[in-house]
Amino acid sequence: DQQVKQNSPSLSVQEGRISILNCDYTNSMFDYFLWYKKYPAEGPTFLISISSIKDKNEDGRFTVFLNKSAKHLSLHIVPSQPGDSAVYFCAASARSKAAGNKLTFGGGTRVLVKP
Amino acid sequence: KAGVTQTPRYLIKTRGQQVTLSCSPISGHRSVSWYQQTPGQGLQFLFEYFSETQRNKGNFPGRFSGRQFSNSRSEMNVSTLELGDSALYLCASSPENYGYTFGSGTRLTVV
Repeated sequence: DQQVKQNSPSLSVQEGRISILNCDYTNSMFDYFLWYKKYPAEGPTFLISISSIKDKNEDGRFTVFLNKSAKHLSLHIVPSQPGDSAVYFCAASARSKAAGNKLTFGGGTRVLVKP
Repeated sequence: KAGVTQTPRYLIKTRGQQVTLSCSPISGHRSVSWYQQTPGQGLQFLFEYFSETQRNKGNFPGRFSGRQFSNSRSEMNVSTLELGDSALYLCASSPENYGYTFGSGTRLTVV
């Protein structure tokens, strides 16, 4: 049962344009969402997060939007740069002392930014 | 501030052997989680330790175990290795319930 899904395995975008990555979740207990960037043979690098009490969070070129009713979030990267080429993972967590720290990841989206 | 340190970076083991992986979290972080990444299954949660106690566990067989020491360092052990255990094993540390920082991982190859 995949609780977090990234339906687009890959995305190709021209440098300077917007990259939009999508993520859907099914577990209504998730209340904290994160995006990570990952290069092969390295650990994921944290990009941006959003709590379920918000619908938007912005950090530089990265903006995450959350639509709780649709159980959908998206990551916008503007403008896209060649260095953004990597695999992006969406992750979700149900934050509570009982749940502890457990991230449920989507399958990832490979982004290629063409110069 | 030093990041999350995982050792060793690469490991080759034979089927049936056991292996121990180590993770040193960021100073002050009390939570350490372990994840397995494989091409077929993606990133999957193994378990989490907080103040030396296992607080959460994923759906992995009992061959996968872990522990956390009083200085928050954590070890993960896999016994009776199978070919399917070949993966990148990632450790993440957190101060409490948010802000997960990952290490570079240990690439385990079982032959």
